[in-house]
Amino acid sequence: EVQLVESGGGEVQPGRPLRLSCEASGFSFDDYGMHWVRQAPGKGLEWVAGISWNSGRIGYADSVKGRATISRDNAKNSLYLQMNGLRAEDTALYYCAKDRGTIFGVYSMDVWGPGTTVIVSS
Amino acid sequence: SYVLTQPPSVSLAPGQTARITCEGNKIGSKSVHWYQQKPGQAPVLVVYNDSDRPSGIPERFSGSNSGNTATLTITRVESGDEADYYCHVWHSSDDHLYVIFGGGTKLTVL
Repeated sequence: EVQLVESGGGEVQPGRPLRLSCEASGFSFDDYGMHWVRQAPGKGLEWVAGISWNSGRIGYADSVKGRATISRDNAKNSLYLQMNGLRAEDTALYYCAKDRGTIFGVYSMDVWGPGTTVIVSS
Repeated sequence: SYVLTQPPSVSLAPGQTARITCEGNKIGSKSVHWYQQKPGQAPVLVVYNDSDRPSGIPERFSGSNSGNTATLTITRVESGDEADYYCHVWHSSDDHLYVIFGGGTKLTVL
């Protein structure tokens, strides 16, 4: 079964860092691009960052550029999101999502994890 | 930046046809993908590349894209189709690639 499971969320003070992880199973992880997408309470979907299969292409939303780093370890079938300088507006449910194809910048996201919640509060 | 505009809500009776639009500048030149999100659940891909359906998605779900408007069409709407629907495109700007989501449309089946 194709599966994504996020972890690392929690409550964190403003300005502090947080590292999210996503463990993949059931497919050839190193064949596909991956993404982080977040959803603030009661709001819509917001793409955070994406990374190609070989980490050769990476993209960030303007809202997190300079504060976020997406990375992957294909040997561990894992995706990561390092967030620094967290703000109240980063409070959201963070989803890990699999790209449907191998070419970065073309495809849809065909598998999503259940998400991990990040709350930024003093 | 590139903006996708969706109507906040669409309401209709069971058995009717829902048409959810996604407007963007020359969106017809892009591939549009659609996701369904039910309360408390992760999004599910229902249409990709304008009009293709992933396996397991009913034929009642279809898509089209032309000019400045992409449309997700759901025929014979059922109560189980009640959800938020989001469109998605990729946008290139200054050699950077971005995923753009529409604001979402809440489908209510009366």
